[in-house]
Amino acid sequence: QPVLIQPPSASGTPGQRITISCSGGTSNIGKNTVNWYQQLPGTAPKLLIHSNNQRPSGVPARFSGSKSGTSASLAISGLQSGDESEYYCAAWDDSLNGVIFGVGTKVTVL
Amino acid sequence: EVQLVQSGAEGKKPGESLKISCKVFGDTFTDYWIGWVRQLPGKELEWMGIIYPEDSDTRYSPSFQGHVTLSADKSISTTYLQWSALKASDTATYFCARLFVQKTSVTSLFLDYWGQGTLVTVSS
Repeated sequence: QPVLIQPPSASGTPGQRITISCSGGTSNIGKNTVNWYQQLPGTAPKLLIHSNNQRPSGVPARFSGSKSGTSASLAISGLQSGDESEYYCAAWDDSLNGVIFGVGTKVTVL
Repeated sequence: EVQLVQSGAEGKKPGESLKISCKVFGDTFTDYWIGWVRQLPGKELEWMGIIYPEDSDTRYSPSFQGHVTLSADKSISTTYLQWSALKASDTATYFCARLFVQKTSVTSLFLDYWGQGTLVTVSS
């Protein structure tokens, strides 16, 4: 199944700002909005960012999203130990007629 | 508050059938598509398909078409994911999630509420 491309890992020290990239194509990110999910070990994914840059109620402003062309990125500022998690980008894919997910990025706080 | 509650973990043998469920609380069940997502052990999320409970309109990912069946029972606000003959490679955690469609200047689709996941283990 096709996937969106993310770096396998990212890391930073507490308080730092990190970014995670997500690369897709014209049938997904190029045409539709991007969403980001946070998945802590052993739990269900949680919606972190939707519609490229919108935070659901309760998500701290430290998390922000952006999109340009067929790529997107998630930024985490003021990194905290509780941010250690797997992060997935996702978008609707018009060819698949379904959601296409990224391969996931594991964030480690050093 | 919207909640999706899935059925419990299952242990099955290859070739056996299985039906797992996802019940929606706190929302108008028939207003939204419900999607199903597979996560193999230690792997990424994979889209399986979606169902519209109002009329059971169903769309499958090509990777899962013919191997699983989605269904819904409006009367009890529940959707189902079913296998007729499990394989060891079906061992995974399966999530259901509500697909929200937001129509503003652009149309956004995102999975806003998720079930807790159902672990399916297939082993002889």
